[in-house]
Amino acid sequence: DAGVTQSPTHLIKTRGQQVTLRCSPKSGHDTVSWYQQALGQGPQFIFQYYEEEERQRGNFPDRFSGHQFPNYSSELNVNALLLGDSALYLCASSLGWLAGGFQETQYFGPGTRLLVL
Amino acid sequence: DAKTTQPTSMDCAEGRAANLPCNHSTISGNEYVYWYRQIHSQGPQYIIHGLKNNETNEMASLIITEDRKSSTLILPHATLRDTAVYYCIVLYSGGGADGLTFGKGTHLIIQP
Repeated sequence: DAGVTQSPTHLIKTRGQQVTLRCSPKSGHDTVSWYQQALGQGPQFIFQYYEEEERQRGNFPDRFSGHQFPNYSSELNVNALLLGDSALYLCASSLGWLAGGFQETQYFGPGTRLLVL
Repeated sequence: DAKTTQPTSMDCAEGRAANLPCNHSTISGNEYVYWYRQIHSQGPQYIIHGLKNNETNEMASLIITEDRKSSTLILPHATLRDTAVYYCIVLYSGGGADGLTFGKGTHLIIQP
């Protein structure tokens, strides 16, 4: 059973550029959440996608956008990169709204490490 | 989500039980306690979760106090590979998967 996969593993960009990160959820999962983890900090929730729509969003600017595809995979896009966007970007998948009644556990991928120069 | 308080760091000898405390004094009745851990430079790994009863799985045990204001994660026989940052998270159980709010966690160091 394949777990959550992310690509690429590492990425270097320069300020002002745009980046796209990709995530494939665990088999059977339909909800994807994205997190940003700066060095020495805990992960911070960016947003969550279910049924190809953004369902919840954390305190991140509009430069951060996403997409979910019919096969439940997802992309995170960041425009106009800043030095402060350098971080580990984590994707987590879960069985979302169909479960109902209680929280479903989120399973994380290995992350994409983004360095902005 | 309710806030949690955890010690910044803890040491434990290899082979001994590691007991990691978490305070969540403002937890409400429909909020679960979740534990994740993050080994250096990897994605967080789910460990266990519970509502009010004690829980056990192949990785750990979770003891929740009767008033639900605190909990303890127990790793029964710690190994060097258990060295990681452990996060205690309180999460509403209203259905669906919400964004997790990670604090700073406890850095557990297993000593040989």
